[in-house]
Amino acid sequence: DAGVTQSPTHLIKTRGQHVTLRCSPISGHKSVSWYQQVLGQGPQFIFQYYEKEERGRGNFPDRFSARQFPNYSSELNVNALLLGDSALYLCASSSHGGDRNTQYFGPGTRLTVL
Amino acid sequence: TQLLEQSPQFLSIQEGENLTVYCNSSSVFSSLQWYRQEPGEGPVLLVTVVTGGEVKKLKRLTFQFGDARKDSSLHITAAQPGDTGLYLCAYNNNDMRFGAGTRLTVKP
Repeated sequence: DAGVTQSPTHLIKTRGQHVTLRCSPISGHKSVSWYQQVLGQGPQFIFQYYEKEERGRGNFPDRFSARQFPNYSSELNVNALLLGDSALYLCASSSHGGDRNTQYFGPGTRLTVL
Repeated sequence: TQLLEQSPQFLSIQEGENLTVYCNSSSVFSSLQWYRQEPGEGPVLLVTVVTGGEVKKLKRLTFQFGDARKDSSLHITAAQPGDTGLYLCAYNNNDMRFGAGTRLTVKP
């Protein structure tokens, strides 16, 4: 079975632009979470979705938004990009929400903002 | 401030050496997880520790959860170049919270 897939793998944008990142969870998984990992740090939680509903939101500005589709895939949108948004964006899926569910991470999308 | 403090931040050793990395906090956790992340990939779960004082072994890796469930350690015996990576501890409270990680390099 395929693992979590993310697209694109790499992306270069300029300040002020908008970006959409995509994630397909493991088949059968209904929960998707998004993380931002800047160089030298651990991943920071952005959003969690379960059954198309937002279950949690980290400490990120409103420029960050996400949604989950009926097939459980997800998009992360970032508006008005800043240089500090340059990071590896990770998507993780789990069978359902909750603190005992193992999350499986995708390879990430490397976003560079110039 | 990081809820989970990991040390050391960087570690470079020769193949065959032993090492221990630490994950500390002032908070009590119901469980902690350890992940390894290799360049260009997402983190991969190694183990979840749940019980205070628990010791889990995964081949040459030994994980320990502190008695008070505030800290954890990862010991690697006879490190190999394939152990190179970023080792992250995390707790899951509906959303995962990670430490900053220990970046391990094992030289052949």
